[in-house]
Amino acid sequence: EAGVAQSPRYKIIEKRQSVAFWCNPISGHATLYWYQQILGQGPKLLIQFQNNGVVDDSQLPKDRFSAERLKGVDSTLKIQPAKLEDSAVYLCASSLSGQETQYFGPGTRLLVL
Amino acid sequence: DQQVKQNSPSLSVQEGRISILNCDYTNSMFDYFLWYKKYPAEGPTFLISISSIKDKNEDGRFTVFLNKSAKHLSLHIVPSQPGDSAVYFCAASASGNTGKLIFGQGTTLQVKP
Repeated sequence: EAGVAQSPRYKIIEKRQSVAFWCNPISGHATLYWYQQILGQGPKLLIQFQNNGVVDDSQLPKDRFSAERLKGVDSTLKIQPAKLEDSAVYLCASSLSGQETQYFGPGTRLLVL
Repeated sequence: DQQVKQNSPSLSVQEGRISILNCDYTNSMFDYFLWYKKYPAEGPTFLISISSIKDKNEDGRFTVFLNKSAKHLSLHIVPSQPGDSAVYFCAASASGNTGKLIFGQGTTLQVKP
């Protein structure tokens, strides 16, 4: 069974530029999560989708971050414009229906200069 | 507001000995707790979990203990192996919260041969 796929693995941009990350969850998983992990901290949930609907985006900085999961499968997370403090690893995870174990992808490491 | 805390950033143990990783939480609504393990450049992988109706759960070399009155849980690894060297995250969720996980900061375990 293929795991959660994410791309790109690494991205370096300058502040005020925009960037997008892509995630393909495990086949059949209805719930998809985006986490931000700043160095030295644990992952922090940014947004949770159930199929293509948003369940929780309370910690998503909506002035600059956006996410979508149009067909209930793949998802993209966008930052526009990026700030220095957005430097982090962005992790995507999926679970069968939201109450089970979450499976994480390898993450995208973003560096904002 | 750090609801889940891992106060030891790092731990070093000798191969074959016991590793004990600790985690404290403040939110009394948490009723499900998990431990994730993370290797460099990989996403976190699920290790073991425990429901608040139990005080112990065991899986091979890994045992998690929960002390609800103290709002404290610990992960015991016996015997420790060099391959256990990784960052360990404690996470918690509250029922009816659609599986949202709150993570601690992580503890880096080094098992020396």
